[in-house]
Amino acid sequence: DAGVIQSPRHEVTEMGQEVTLRCKPISGHDYLFWYRQTMMRGLELLIYFNNNVPIDDSGMPEDRFSAKMPNASFSTLKIQPSEPRDSAVYFCASSLAGGEEKLFFGSGTQLSVL
Amino acid sequence: TQLLEQSPQFLSIQEGENLTVYCNSSSVFSSLQWYRQEPGEGPVLLVTVVTGGEVKKLKRLTFQFGDARKDSSLHITAAQPGDTGLYLCAGDETSGSRLTFGEGTQLTVNP
Repeated sequence: DAGVIQSPRHEVTEMGQEVTLRCKPISGHDYLFWYRQTMMRGLELLIYFNNNVPIDDSGMPEDRFSAKMPNASFSTLKIQPSEPRDSAVYFCASSLAGGEEKLFFGSGTQLSVL
Repeated sequence: TQLLEQSPQFLSIQEGENLTVYCNSSSVFSSLQWYRQEPGEGPVLLVTVVTGGEVKKLKRLTFQFGDARKDSSLHITAAQPGDTGLYLCAGDETSGSRLTFGEGTQLTVNP
């Protein structure tokens, strides 16, 4: 298995532009998580899905952020409009189950909003 | 307020030295995980501990879960440059699906 695949690896955009980050989880994993990592705040959970259904989006910073999982093999995280403070590394992770189950992380998307 | 406090935040040591990093909380966790992250990559799971007082060993790494399941430690014996990375602890507070991560300990092992 290729692991969790994220694209793009790097994204540089201007303030106000729409940004879409993509994730393909490991096949057979029922849970998908979106995290954001910054020096100031560390690794923060934004939202997670179970069987394609959003379960907890309390970590989504504001209405400019939205996430979808149209099927078991694809998820997107969208920021519209983007702001410089959104600059961070965004990770997608998947797991077979929740709780103590092992998380498999993608390599992340480095987002820079100018 | 950070649910999981890790210390130290930064640690720079020479090859061959021993070290311990800590993960502390006022909350009780049903399980706790340790991850290691290298630059440009996502975190990779090292171990999961689930029982209070549990000790797990992974080669030169020893992980301990506190008796009260509120804290954990990672001890590395005879550190090597390949151990360099960001060490993250993550707790599952309610036996649900949501892991909370500490801010991490950035370890540098100099040859």
